Amino acid sequence: DAGVIQSPRHEVTEMGQEVTLRCKPISGHNSLFWYRQTMMRGLELLIYFNNNVPIDDSGMPEDRFSAKMPNASFSTLKIQPSEPRDSAVYFCASTLNGWGLGNTDTQYFGPGTRLTVL
Amino acid sequence: AQSVTQLDSHVSVSEGTPVLLRCNYSSSYSPSLFWYVQHPNKGLQLLLKYTSAATLVKGINGFEAEFKKSETSFHLTKPSAHMSDAAEYFCVGGYQKVTFGTGTKLQVIP
Repeated sequence: DAGVIQSPRHEVTEMGQEVTLRCKPISGHNSLFWYRQTMMRGLELLIYFNNNVPIDDSGMPEDRFSAKMPNASFSTLKIQPSEPRDSAVYFCASTLNGWGLGNTDTQYFGPGTRLTVL
Repeated sequence: AQSVTQLDSHVSVSEGTPVLLRCNYSSSYSPSLFWYVQHPNKGLQLLLKYTSAATLVKGINGFEAEFKKSETSFHLTKPSAHMSDAAEYFCVGGYQKVTFGTGTKLQVIP
């Protein structure tokens, strides 16, 4: 298996531009997670999907951030408009089953997208 | 409510000496607990996982962790550090929600 695939690996953009990050989870996995990692705040869970449905988006910082999962093999995280404080590494992870009451599967992480907003 | 606390932000050991990375958890229920490792500019990789089957969990690369309910701890250990162990380590817990610790950076001195 190719593992979790993220694209692009690096993105440099200017403030105010729209940014779209992409993730392909491991085939057969039913849950997908988006994380943001910065030096200041560490690793933060942004949003979590189970069977393509957003379950917990309480970590999404503000309305400029949106995430979709149109099918089981693809998800996007969009920032519009982007700001310099959005600069971070964004990770996608997937699990075979979801996280929920008594069910805590291993998360498999992608390599991340390093976003720089100038 | 649940939380995971990594007690040290940085740990420095000499090559060949034991490694101890500390993690305490707080949960109303028996949580699942994980240790992940992140090498520079890489994604996170699972080291080991505890799910109540056995309190001593063996992971990859010689790491192991022991779940101690009385101490609410899940410390990560390795008998002998190798240069390649230098990385950041995350303790992760969850029952209903994923909770990441703040990470411990391990430095291995030759």
